[in-house]
Amino acid sequence: AQKVTQAQTEISVVEKEDVTLDCVYETRDTTYYLFWYKQPPSGELVFLIRRNSFDEQNEISGRYSWNFQKSTSSFNFTITASQVVDSAVYFCALSEAQNYGQNFVFGPGTRLSVLP
Amino acid sequence: DGGITQSPKYLFRKEGQNVTLSCEQNLNHDAMYWYRQDPGQGLRLIYYSQIVNDFQKGDIAEGYSVSREKKESFPLTVTSAQKNPTAFYLCASSIDYLGNSPLHFGNGTRLTVT
Repeated sequence: AQKVTQAQTEISVVEKEDVTLDCVYETRDTTYYLFWYKQPPSGELVFLIRRNSFDEQNEISGRYSWNFQKSTSSFNFTITASQVVDSAVYFCALSEAQNYGQNFVFGPGTRLSVLP
Repeated sequence: DGGITQSPKYLFRKEGQNVTLSCEQNLNHDAMYWYRQDPGQGLRLIYYSQIVNDFQKGDIAEGYSVSREKKESFPLTVTSAQKNPTAFYLCASSIDYLGNSPLHFGNGTRLTVT
């Protein structure tokens, strides 16, 4: 069965600090996809990144970076020089290629508060 | 602009009443989904539809019903059989149902039943 764990329920940092959000997943499928979403106070989930299981390259997009390590089943998300606008709930999600339709499992989310 | 529209944003109902949440997308996506979010929890799948006129139960379908008569519309009815309906409901769509495409979400409907 697929499962996503985000052990950090809430994190508070001061603006300009770096912060890493952890995501650990479980799957028996060899082909799968990992996602990160941001949920600001408005409620809509915003897609940030997708990674497939065959691509372990780390990715950087501006202040955001992602570290995918199959050996530890982790897909961690780092925000560099955090800003108040980064305050949101962040969700990690897993999708298995073999599980059509019922294919997204979300972690419980990490609430990030960036204080000015 | 393409996107997903959920209405209303807030909904209040008395216990025992059925209520329908609207979800419309103009992204031309085949697959649509309904999720429920409770405080401090992740998203749980209620129903999904891979194609028009077809839908499947998710993990927590009891007390809910859906229809998919048009590609762009996927309304969710919360029936009186749902024991704890107060929650935040999110509708999503994706280009297909293969799992490798990201979900696009609406702004959600917050339902309160008293």
